[in-house]
Amino acid sequence: GAGVSQSPSNKVTEKGKDVELRCDPISGHTALYWYRQSLGQGLEFLIYFQGNSAPDKSGLPSDRFSAERTGGSVSTLTIQRTQQEDSAVYLCASSRTSGGSTQYFGPGTRLTVL
Amino acid sequence: GIQVEQSPPDLILQEGANSTLRCNFSDSVNNLQWFHQNPWGQLINLFYIPSGTKQNGRLSATTVATERYSLLYISSSQTTDSGVYFCAVFSGTYKYIFGTGTRLKVLA
Repeated sequence: GAGVSQSPSNKVTEKGKDVELRCDPISGHTALYWYRQSLGQGLEFLIYFQGNSAPDKSGLPSDRFSAERTGGSVSTLTIQRTQQEDSAVYLCASSRTSGGSTQYFGPGTRLTVL
Repeated sequence: GIQVEQSPPDLILQEGANSTLRCNFSDSVNNLQWFHQNPWGQLINLFYIPSGTKQNGRLSATTVATERYSLLYISSSQTTDSGVYFCAVFSGTYKYIFGTGTRLKVLA
């Protein structure tokens, strides 16, 4: 049983470029969460999937951000036309079900926008 | 929207001491969770506790939903307890709202 994995572990990009971050949840986990943590700051919730659907996308910071999940498994978070304020660690977590199940976190993707 | 406040913001303990961390929230919530982020950034989900009391080893948590607060108790603290403790509430709008965290340092 592998844990939650994320790729890439580090990404350096230039302002204006698009980036795609990937999350592989624990097999069989139906709920998947994306969070963001800016340097030295707290946690910011971005979006939550139950299966392949996201009930509420309003947590995404701007319309440059989008997320999808296919096959009830892998999820990708895409940031278009990256800005310097997008620099942060992006964390993914999965849980067996939504609601009261324990969330298991991946190691995160550190994104740096130059 | 819901406001989540944590106190104290910073806490330094001598190994073996006990502590209580508090999380206040401004409205009714469906779900409340406590998380620990170690000094290397790894996050662990400690408790799902929308109401009542739970215990896991030296850690326990109590949520009094009617009074809109939750407490995390750490007994006989160890250096490995160091890090940041976050509470988060899940509202009916399918979002987690996080507190700003309590940064704990346990000294050997």
